[in-house]
Amino acid sequence: SQQGEEDPQALSIQEGENATMNCSYKTSINNLQWYRQNSGRGLVHLILIRSNEREKHSGRLRVTLDTSKKSSSLLITASRAADTASYFCATAGTGRRALTFGSGTRLQVQP
Amino acid sequence: SQTIHQWPATLVQPVGSPLSLECTVEGTSNPNLYWYRQAAGRGLQLLFYSVGIGQISSEVPQNLSASRPQDRQFILSSKKLLLSDSGFYLCAWSISGSSGELFFGEGSRLTVL
Repeated sequence: SQQGEEDPQALSIQEGENATMNCSYKTSINNLQWYRQNSGRGLVHLILIRSNEREKHSGRLRVTLDTSKKSSSLLITASRAADTASYFCATAGTGRRALTFGSGTRLQVQP
Repeated sequence: SQTIHQWPATLVQPVGSPLSLECTVEGTSNPNLYWYRQAAGRGLQLLFYSVGIGQISSEVPQNLSASRPQDRQFILSSKKLLLSDSGFYLCAWSISGSSGELFFGEGSRLTVL
């Protein structure tokens, strides 16, 4: 089964609104990462947060990590139509060499 | 700068035919290499990863195999395709020894008929 599960599965908002996506995972991690995928394309890395960090910012992105609850959230502020994509969380588990991906959130930003 | 190339981009194959997807990385040495599969509208399933030439780890038993004949070349193969092998295959690389970010290719869409 997938290590990470995103919530919601799909999200539709208007341009200018904020979008929040959540991710839950099951085992101990070294870090958690968020990726973006445009339809039919490869994934692009957005941000990485380490297990000893609680919050991280990158431009319009804000990521939080709560290791006690094994959860993370990705906030995209002031969304744009170009933010329309699928967003995946991925965990680097302790002792694992490969990332485990969640099922993703499909974000639609209406212009 | 580093780049990753993956081909072919799309292919349609009959059941029982062989498969070969190729991935090469430029601009880095001794990368970790990965093959993931993505079913329609779903997340990514790790198929294989490699930390060096000839070193392949398989995550799930399946109809596929992987090889790493050169440092920056990763090949996904099958001798006889099944309908269930259809999907979007993604190659990726990361810096050796890290659990950092993955850099993905553009993917290969396989349809088995």
